[in-house]
Amino acid sequence: EVHLLESGGGLVQPGESLRLSCEASGFTFSSSALSWVRQAPGKGLEWVSALSANVISIHYADSVKGRFTISRDNSKNTLYLQMNSLRAEDTAVYYCAKRSAGEEFFDYWGQGILVTVSS
Amino acid sequence: EIVMTQSPATLSVSPGERTTLSCRASQSVSSNVAWYQHKPGQGPRLLIYAASTRATGIPARFSGSGSGTEFTLTISSLQSEDFAVYYCQQYNNWPLTFGQGTKVEIK
Repeated sequence: EVHLLESGGGLVQPGESLRLSCEASGFTFSSSALSWVRQAPGKGLEWVSALSANVISIHYADSVKGRFTISRDNSKNTLYLQMNSLRAEDTAVYYCAKRSAGEEFFDYWGQGILVTVSS
Repeated sequence: EIVMTQSPATLSVSPGERTTLSCRASQSVSSNVAWYQHKPGQGPRLLIYAASTRATGIPARFSGSGSGTEFTLTISSLQSEDFAVYYCQQYNNWPLTFGQGTKVEIK
């Protein structure tokens, strides 16, 4: 059974940093592309960043480009999102999502982790 | 960026009824559209991909259609567990984009 578990969320002040982790199990992590998707309070889903299995293809939404960095550690079956220079508008539930083989839609999602940016 | 526009924002439906959700893309996305069901406190669940292909384990009452810029998700007979928010997503171009969602609520 596929399982994605996010961690590392919490309350931070504007300008601070936070690193999210997504621990995966139940599939061949090293062969899978993954993404981060977020949902601000009362809003819809917003794709944030994507990382291919071979780490060659990396994409970011314009809203986070230059501030967020996606990475992975295949030895730990873990996806990361380093978030720097956080803003109030980054407040959201962040989901880790596994890309379906070959296409950029998502067949499995984690339950999400809340990040709150507030002074 | 391709904008995905869903309508209506909210649907009030009685159990057992048939309902249709719409999603329009600001430019052609071919058939590269997925639909998700999202319930509070859970991650989204993939229902449909390639506009009309049901994901593994999805009941036959869910069906998708469309291509180009116009897409629909139909639920043939609403069950109690189907009341949720539904999102469309295009994966034809970067950045990946979602519609704003349609909430299906009990009438």
